[in-house]
Amino acid sequence: GQQLNQSPQSMFIQEGEDVSMNCTSSSIFNTWLWYKQDPGEGPVLLIALYKAGELTSNGRLTAQFGITRKDSFLNISASIPSDVGIYFCAGRKETSGSRLTFGEGTQLTVNP
Amino acid sequence: DAGVIQSPRHEVTEMGQEVTLRCKPISGHNSLFWYRQTMMRGLELLIYFNNNVPIDDSGMPEDRFSAKMPNASFSTLKIQPSEPRDSAVYFCASSPRRGGLDTQYFGPGTRLTVL
Repeated sequence: GQQLNQSPQSMFIQEGEDVSMNCTSSSIFNTWLWYKQDPGEGPVLLIALYKAGELTSNGRLTAQFGITRKDSFLNISASIPSDVGIYFCAGRKETSGSRLTFGEGTQLTVNP
Repeated sequence: DAGVIQSPRHEVTEMGQEVTLRCKPISGHNSLFWYRQTMMRGLELLIYFNNNVPIDDSGMPEDRFSAKMPNASFSTLKIQPSEPRDSAVYFCASSPRRGGLDTQYFGPGTRLTVL
């Protein structure tokens, strides 16, 4: 079952607005990943974070690895219609080998 | 470079039939993962391989599911016999190395419908 709490579950925003979503857990993770999934496609990796406190950007996307190692957030600035999709966080625990735990996803809708 | 390749993209079958899903990982990647995605349970890891060897199959639902990786460029996930509750999107993902600073790259998925 899911061990990552991802919020919000859905967001409806206007084009140009900034977006923020986050994942939290009661467990410590040593890697955080953010994926985007378009309808009918597989998740696509957006950003990977490997160190507590790390802040990484990919174009208009910025993600941070929480200091406690139990959370991460993703920000999207100046949203555009093609940002529509489901965003997933995923974490890897030090003791779980290559196994990832996924959040439940945030469905983002951008109104033009 | 080609990404992870999955076939078929869509499969519709009747309950009781055998289903085989196929995956070709990204060349050079030595870890391969099979996931199932449903609305109710989200993304679930079924099994993963490192260097063609199954490492963790704790997510395989039951004995009706089996997975093989005969070589570094090919893997199959088989369901026999299939049941309606197996209907889901099945993803294959690959990763360049085991553990550490690796990331997983997903294929487009196979949408399975069992009638």
